[in-house]
Amino acid sequence: AQSVTQLDSHVSVSEGTPVLLRCNYSSSYSPSLFWYVQHPNKGLQLLLKYTSAATLVKGINGFEAEFKKSETSFHLTKPSAHMSDAAEYFCVVTSGGYNTGKLIFGQGTTLQVKP
Amino acid sequence: EAEVAQSPRYKITEKSQAVAFWCDPISGHATLYWYRQILGQGPELLVQFQDESVVDDSQLPKDRFSAERLKGVDSTLKIQPAELGDSAMYLCASSNLGNEQFFGPGTRLTVL
Repeated sequence: AQSVTQLDSHVSVSEGTPVLLRCNYSSSYSPSLFWYVQHPNKGLQLLLKYTSAATLVKGINGFEAEFKKSETSFHLTKPSAHMSDAAEYFCVVTSGGYNTGKLIFGQGTTLQVKP
Repeated sequence: EAEVAQSPRYKITEKSQAVAFWCDPISGHATLYWYRQILGQGPELLVQFQDESVVDDSQLPKDRFSAERLKGVDSTLKIQPAELGDSAMYLCASSNLGNEQFFGPGTRLTVL
């Protein structure tokens, strides 16, 4: 069975400092992995996705993630946090192949950005 | 920019009452999903439609929940009767080719 574990339920950074949100996955085959962001009272927005191409994936708003098969990790990073990055972040793995559509979400990490 | 529409945005009901949520996916998207997100947790898939057919409803509590997508476009999710534990955010998403799902703003349900 496929699953994801987000290692931190809450991360707090100062504006302008780097962001690291950690995610480990479990999959019986080559997974597709995603990061979604959820701002208060808004729908989920796709930040980036890995689908077995380049292991370093660049997304929107300066975020990127690196797929490391040996560590079964897919951590999300950003060099410099902005106040608008404060939100809930979800690491997601697909259940089944790339086109099956079923997404398995992690528990989420709340990112707080302090001025 | 096309978006997934959901209504209502907020719903307060008493237990044992019936509630219904509506979703209008992005035009042309054949696949539609309903998720439930309990506070502090990630969304969990309730039901997946391909056009008007149910592809996966393994996590849908069928004794009280029902979902339909009669013409393969918009969809309705119903709960009857509502229970206290049903309080959650109900999210609708749609996709066409590949896995990228576009999510609506959700309906926040509170059961008193």
